[in-house]
Formats: sequence, structure tokens, C-alpha cells
Amino acid sequence: AQTVTQSQPEMSVQEAETVTLSCTYDTSENNYYLFWYKQPPSRQMILVIRQEAYKQQNATENRFSVNFQKAAKSFSLKISDSQLGDTAMYFCAFSPPWGSNYKLTFGKGTLLTVNP
Amino acid sequence: NAGVMQNPRHLVRRRGQEARLRCSPMKGHSHVYWYRQLPEEGLKFMVYLQKENIIDESGMPKERFSAEFPKEGPSILRIQQVVRGDSAAYFCASSLGTSGSSYNEQFFGPGTRLTVL
Repeated sequence: AQTVTQSQPEMSVQEAETVTLSCTYDTSENNYYLFWYKQPPSRQMILVIRQEAYKQQNATENRFSVNFQKAAKSFSLKISDSQLGDTAMYFCAFSPPWGSNYKLTFGKGTLLTVNP
Repeated sequence: NAGVMQNPRHLVRRRGQEARLRCSPMKGHSHVYWYRQLPEEGLKFMVYLQKENIIDESGMPKERFSAEFPKEGPSILRIQQVVRGDSAAYFCASSLGTSGSSYNEQFFGPGTRLTVL
């Protein structure tokens, strides 16, 4: 079974600075998807960024980018120019590429607070 | 284009009562997924449904929990004889489909927070 570990329960950053959230996972699959979801106080789950394991290039979405290290099974999220609206719980998630690719496995989350 | 709708947003039940949670997928989506988020935890997969079919219920507790997605109307997650341990946020997601070789994004609803007294 796959597991996803987020070792930082809480983090804080000053507005406009950069912060990196860590995620490691365990799987015997060679191909899979990795995600970062954001859950603001409204509790709505919002997809931030997605990485396909067979792609070596790290995914980027505006201020959000990932550092995907397949051999180390590491998938960190970097948020640049942090904004107050980035304050939220951030969940790392895994899904196999086929068969049960609908079955997302989530970490326990990291609470990020952006301070003014 | 309306997103995934869930109601109620908050539900309070006493031990032994039944809880019914509803989920209307995004327009055009025929695949629905339910997840449960216990306090201080990430979301955990419960069940995957298509219209009138349960595809995978491997994450559902064997007793008291059931789910359906009828031909007409929303998907329903039913919890019978609720206990305090059922207190959690229940999220529904929907997608266009699920493909063997590509990813179909799951869009999440705002969740239903169930409190069992």
C-alpha cells in the first residue's frame, strides 16, 4: 500500500518570502501521479499542482513549483512571493496511474500561516 | 458552471440516529468519490461510484455505511446508527471519468462536517 508522509505539521512564513513544504511517499509503482492540494479555512479542497512521475521536468504553476526527486521519493512544494491568501492546510497526495488511479492517498497535511 | 455541491454543510446527529449526506457532481461528471477526513488527518478514500453502480467500496466501513448514486438525483452517503467516532468531514469529489492511462482530475465539494453528540 502507498503511504504519504508530511513531516511538518505547521509552518509559517512572512509575506513575500519563499517557503518549502516537504512530502515523502512510499510506493512500489514506477509510474504514478503526485499532487499538492490546498485547503483554506473554508475547507474547500483545491488542486494546486500535479506531477506525473514519468516526467522528469518539475511542474510549475505561477508562484507554485515542485521539487520532484523520484529516487528519493520526495515531492516538495515551493511557494514563492507568499501571499496572505496562501494561508491554508496543504496536503500532498498520491495516485497510481491506472487501475485504481481514482484512489487518492493523502498525507496528514501541513498548516501554513503567512504573516503580514 | 457550478462546482460540486454538498449538503448539508453541517450536520449534527445524536448517537444512534441516521446521517444522510448528499453530493451533486459537476455538470457533465458521471463519476463520484467519497472521502472522509478525521480530525488532524488527511482525507481517506471511501467509495467510488458511477451512475447506479458501486465501482470500489474498499474504503468503506463494512457496517452502517452505504452509498448510492442513482440514475437521477445526487449521490447519497448514508451512515446508520451513528457513533461518536463517525464525527468527521465528509468530502465528495467528481470527475469526467477515469482512464487507464491518464488522469482525470477530481473536483472536490466543500464537504459536510458531521458532529455526533
